[in-house]
Amino acid sequence: EDQVTQSPEALRLQEGESSSLNCSYTVSGLRGLFWYRQDPGKGPEFLFTLYSAGEEKEKERLKATLTKKESFLHITAPKPEDSATYLCAVQASSSGSARQLTFGSGTQLTVLP
Amino acid sequence: DAGVIQSPRHEVTEMGQEVTLRCKPISGHNSLFWYRQTMMRGLELLIYFNNNVPIDDSGMPEDRFSAKMPNASFSTLKIQPSEPRDSAVYFCASKGQAMNEKLFFGSGTQLSVL
Repeated sequence: EDQVTQSPEALRLQEGESSSLNCSYTVSGLRGLFWYRQDPGKGPEFLFTLYSAGEEKEKERLKATLTKKESFLHITAPKPEDSATYLCAVQASSSGSARQLTFGSGTQLTVLP
Repeated sequence: DAGVIQSPRHEVTEMGQEVTLRCKPISGHNSLFWYRQTMMRGLELLIYFNNNVPIDDSGMPEDRFSAKMPNASFSTLKIQPSEPRDSAVYFCASKGQAMNEKLFFGSGTQLSVL
């Protein structure tokens, strides 16, 4: 069974204080690892897809990295508008679940001004 | 594109009543997913359709839940009879042909069963 564990559950940062969110996973063959951002009262919004260990993707103050067991979402010099819940999800390569994503429980990030 | 459209945004009902949630996926997307989100269990996949055909409904909690996709532009999730433990946010999401293509989520339906 595919599993995704995110840590910490909640993180409070001061504006400008860089940090990282962790996503540990076990999956029977990784097809892709996805990061989503969810604002209160809204659906998750896509950020990145990573496909293989060593891959990195960047978008503004966010950088996602991937190893064979985990992914990190690095936030550099965050701003209050980066406050949201960040969700990690994995897609397995097994045929039965090729179209499904298994989500972690998320990290609720609060950036204080 | 208007994105994935869900209705209603909020639904308050009494235990035992029938509830129907609606979803219009993004035009051209051929896969549709229904998720449920709660504080305790996070995002759980209930069912997904590919080309209007249900592929995996193993996440549907019990027989009180049913989902249909009569055409490529419309899907419903029905709960009958509803129970207080069904209270959650229900999301619909769609994606295109490519296996790794990203999911687009609707804004969700906040369901409260009293």
